[in-house]
Amino acid sequence: RKEVEQDPGPFNVPEGATVAFNCTYSNSASQSFFWYRQDCRKEPKLLMSVYSSGNEDGRFTAQLNRASQYISLLIRDSKLSDSATYLCVVNMRGAQKLVFGQGTRLTINP
Amino acid sequence: GAVVSQHPSRVICKSGTSVKIECRSLDFQATTMFWYRQFPKKSLMLMATSNEGSKATYEQGVEKDKFLINHASLTLSTLTVTSAHPEDSSFYICSARDTSLAQGQGGYTFGSGTRLTVV
Repeated sequence: RKEVEQDPGPFNVPEGATVAFNCTYSNSASQSFFWYRQDCRKEPKLLMSVYSSGNEDGRFTAQLNRASQYISLLIRDSKLSDSATYLCVVNMRGAQKLVFGQGTRLTINP
Repeated sequence: GAVVSQHPSRVICKSGTSVKIECRSLDFQATTMFWYRQFPKKSLMLMATSNEGSKATYEQGVEKDKFLINHASLTLSTLTVTSAHPEDSSFYICSARDTSLAQGQGGYTFGSGTRLTVV
């Protein structure tokens, strides 16, 4: 079983739609959780950290369910510029390295 | 914010030659840097963790004699792909963590990546 699993997509949705991404992680010792965004042929960039209480940043909402070992990302009112691959990333307690999911590719259509 | 500079951004080399990739933290010190490779439409796979002043820690299945890592200062780590072959063609990305940030704040900054093509 992979340490971090995501639906690889691709997701093709019209502009303005709401998109939801899901991610599960296998190691209960995981401590920190992130969503990264990666554009084609570019490096990943931090979109947002995910906190236990859930957090929101503009059109983006991230949630964490530790009991189910499940992380989600919701994008509201999607824009063309949201087209990218979204990576679910986990860091275990006491470890420095990040573990990446395989990414979910999103295309927003005009 | 923290910046990591990675060079070169693109390199084409002949089979059998070696290629060195540099990763620098520009405005913070990084005792630990990470090297990843990414194949097309795949996620990042950690190759090794580079530790300043000591040996790198390699992930299972990564040949340490093929992928030489040197982390001689708090701001520079290098990855050398030795005796490169076409199957080594990939996107190599480094990352460094700004330890002044709490772990939950992320603090991991990535270089812009190096696209290696071995012909």
